[in-house]
This record gives sequence, structure tokens and C-alpha cells, in this order.
Amino acid sequence: DIVMTQSPDSLAVSLGERATINCKSSQSVSHSSNNKSYLAWYQQRAGQPPKLLIYWASTRGSGVPDRFSGSGSGTDFTLTISSLQAEDVAVYYCQQYFNSPLTFGGGTKVEIK
Amino acid sequence: QVQLQESGPGLVKPSQTLSLTCSVSGNSISSGFHYWSWIRQPAGKGLEWIGSIYSSGSTKYSPSLKSRVTISVDTAMNQFSLNLSSVTAADTAVYYCARTHGVVPIAVYYMDVWGTGTTVTVSS
Repeated sequence: DIVMTQSPDSLAVSLGERATINCKSSQSVSHSSNNKSYLAWYQQRAGQPPKLLIYWASTRGSGVPDRFSGSGSGTDFTLTISSLQAEDVAVYYCQQYFNSPLTFGGGTKVEIK
Repeated sequence: QVQLQESGPGLVKPSQTLSLTCSVSGNSISSGFHYWSWIRQPAGKGLEWIGSIYSSGSTKYSPSLKSRVTISVDTAMNQFSLNLSSVTAADTAVYYCARTHGVVPIAVYYMDVWGTGTTVTVSS
């Protein structure tokens, strides 16, 4: 199985400041044949189901604000929230779909400083 | 608007079978464009993919659960179901169903619409 490791486990950011979450896979989740990275990001607010934010490492999901962006390739990926809003308080998960079984990172909790 | 809703018993005894159903509205399962998945999350912990099914009945399961899991689909009712046998306390979790993108029959990708989740507790 591909192991997904997120860092940090939690971070506190001031409103309007940038938040950066890292995700590292135990093997590459990028295909050289199509230049695609098989990596998604989800946001899970307290008491709610996860919500798809990013797929193909950098494509925003439907209705996702443009302050959310994804980048990276190979084994190293980043989710950036460019200007943190109060409603962004949540746990964020990365997920690889390069290989079965689908696997998720352990999550990063984002709070307001 | 696509909506998914999980249903089933909230309490299951150890060694018994956990059975859940996901009802889909706003999207026909038999339209053939998506997989349909089950994912679970123990309280305070991360997400675990259980498995996925296509409208034809083709399935993909997590190897760690494969021996105990059956996912089935009822296209007439626009529902799909999860059976997890021989449950233990370790199976206590919130269970989510989700619409899933992928390439049939090759691969399952990411989940773009999720149900609200249902809590299942395994206890005598």
C-alpha cells in the first residue's frame, strides 16, 4: 500500500495569512505517460463529511474558492490556503488514487491563531 | 443536485454482520459514469477506504477488509449496500458512502459527493 504522510499534524494561522499543508507519498503517485498526479485533497469541518477540494493534485473541485490551491508531483505535494478565513477551520486530508487500495494521509488540523 | 444518504442499524453485536445502505438521489447509479464507494472513519481518526462498486456490479475492495466485505448494487432502487461480517469493536466508526470518479473497470479515483455519514457502534 502507498503510505501518505502529512505534515504538520496541526497548525494555527492568523486570519488572512497563508496556511501550507504538506503531503508525502511512500512512492511516486505521478504518471510519466500522462503527466498527471493521482492526488486529491479534502476538507472536513467538525461534524461534517469530507468535501473534495482538489483533484489531479491541482484542479479545484466545483465551487471551491480560489484561495485553495494544490501543487506538487512525484512524492511531494502541498495544499495552500492563500488567505485563511474563519470557515477554513477544519481537518485536511490528502488521498492518493495512483494504486489500489486508495489511501489517505493522517490529516492536518487547521486552526485560527 | 446529487445527494447520498446512509441508513442502517447504529448498533451491531460483535461477530455479527454490519449492513448499511446508501440511497442516491439526483444521479442514476446506472448512468454509468461513476463508481460508488464506502469509506469509514473511527472517532477522532482518519479516513479508510473500504471498497467501491460500479453499476454493473464490478467491485474493488481494500485488501485489509476484503475477506469480510461485500458491496452490492440495486440499480432499480438506485441504492448500493455494504455488508461487513464478523465485526469487532475495531469496526466502530462513522461510515460514509460517496460518489466516486474513476475509469471503469480499471481504477477508482477520488470521491466528489459524500453522504452525511452514519455512526455504527459494535458492542454487546
